[in-house]
Amino acid sequence: EVQLVESGGGLVQPGGSLRLSCAASGFTFSTYYMNWVRQAPGKGLEWVSYISSGGSTIYYADSVKGRFTISRDNAKSSLYLQMNSLRDDDTAVYYCARARSGSYSDFDYWGQGTLVIVSS
Amino acid sequence: QLTQSPSSLSASVGDRVTITCRASQGLTSYLAWYQQKPGKAPKLLIYAASTLQSGVPSRFSGSGSGTDFTLTISSLQPEDFATYYCQQLNNYPLTFGGGTKVEI
Repeated sequence: EVQLVESGGGLVQPGGSLRLSCAASGFTFSTYYMNWVRQAPGKGLEWVSYISSGGSTIYYADSVKGRFTISRDNAKSSLYLQMNSLRDDDTAVYYCARARSGSYSDFDYWGQGTLVIVSS
Repeated sequence: QLTQSPSSLSASVGDRVTITCRASQGLTSYLAWYQQKPGKAPKLLIYAASTLQSGVPSRFSGSGSGTDFTLTISSLQPEDFATYYCQQLNNYPLTFGGGTKVEI
C-alpha cells in the first residue's frame, strides 16, 4: 500500500525556518517525481515545488522561490522541504504528493498533510 | 490561470452536476480533477482531461480539451458532497483552479 507521511510542521515565528519531511513507503520511491502542495486555512490548493526522480530537475512557485528548498533522499525514501524566511502567508497545511507518471503529471497519492503556522 | 465555475453550488442526491474549468491558454489534455473533503487530502478523480482514475466511480466523467474542460457527476451521491479542483499540468508553475464546493 502506498503511503506518504509528512512530519515537521509546527508553530514558527516570522522569519524563522522549518524543515518538513515526507516518508514514503509501498512503492519504489526513487522512480517517482514528487511534489509539495499547500493549502492555507479555508483556501484552495497551491502547488509549491517539484523534484524529479533523481533530483536533477526542480521547480518552485514564485511565492516561495529563493526561500524554500526541495530535496530528496532516495536511499531513505524521503522527501524534504526546507523553508526559510517564513512569512505569515506561508501558514498552511503542507502535503507531499506523488506524480502519477512523469514530470507533467497529476498527483495520484497524497499524504495526510502537516500544519505549519507562522505567527509571532 | 484556471477559472472554475461555479465557486459553489447546491444540489440534491440524484442530480446531475457539471463543473467547468477554463484555462487562459491551451492545455491540450493536461488537466486533472480532484475531490477534497474537509480535513482530508485531495483525491485524484480524472486525469488527462477524461481518464477515470482507478477505483473512482463511473458516475464521474471528464471532458474537454484546449481551454474548456468539464467535470460531470451523473447522479450525485451523499458521499460526493465535497470541494472539487481542476489542475493544469501543461507547464510550470502548475496551478489549481479556485475550487467548486458542492453542497446539499
